[in-house]
Amino acid sequence: SQQGEEDPQALSIQEGENATMNCSYKTSINNLQWYRQNSGRGLVHLILIRSNEREKHSGRLRVTLDTSKKSSSLLITASRAADTASYFCATAYNQGGKLIFGQGTELSVKP
Amino acid sequence: KAGVTQTPRYLIKTRGQQVTLSCSPISGHRSVSWYQQTPGQGLQFLFEYFSETQRNKGNFPGRFSGRQFSNSRSEMNVSTLELGDSALYLCASTEPGGSTEAFFGQGTRLTVV
Repeated sequence: SQQGEEDPQALSIQEGENATMNCSYKTSINNLQWYRQNSGRGLVHLILIRSNEREKHSGRLRVTLDTSKKSSSLLITASRAADTASYFCATAYNQGGKLIFGQGTELSVKP
Repeated sequence: KAGVTQTPRYLIKTRGQQVTLSCSPISGHRSVSWYQQTPGQGLQFLFEYFSETQRNKGNFPGRFSGRQFSNSRSEMNVSTLELGDSALYLCASTEPGGSTEAFFGQGTRLTVV
């Protein structure tokens, strides 16, 4: 399968704690993206990191990319109950719109 | 700008029937991609259309097909439905000019009985 892998599959934390999710992929990429999905609805784009970038920030989100290890991590700081959702990494391999998704991490943030 | 619109939101079909799903991308977006999401297989890429041409294709049987119109709206069709086709079908559009973030619709939940 082309799909990447994410871990953990599920993560339960308390509000205010940080949440870290990891993603690994198989071949060279153009960019890697993270998405959030609430309760089986559409996906919402969170952040995109290009293959020549190592770290990117957006608000409470921090993404790192290690192309030598073919892996990425998403850190959500000071989590809130509203962050409860499934998080997916997706890799893009060319200039087209095709994305290969990981299996996702289900995050539960308890108030 | 209006977001990506998928219709219908829910569908129930019988095995053997066929179904057509519709996706209207964000205005100005010429690339439309389709994905199937199931609990067992996760999110899987079906195909991508750009300027009315199929640009990328996933590993799905020929029962799954699509097309794109001159206004960038896209349809996907599944013929001879099987129980395993029950899934959330998601459509995404991207801006022209390169690999950038995708904007997803709310999906069509298809149930095959």
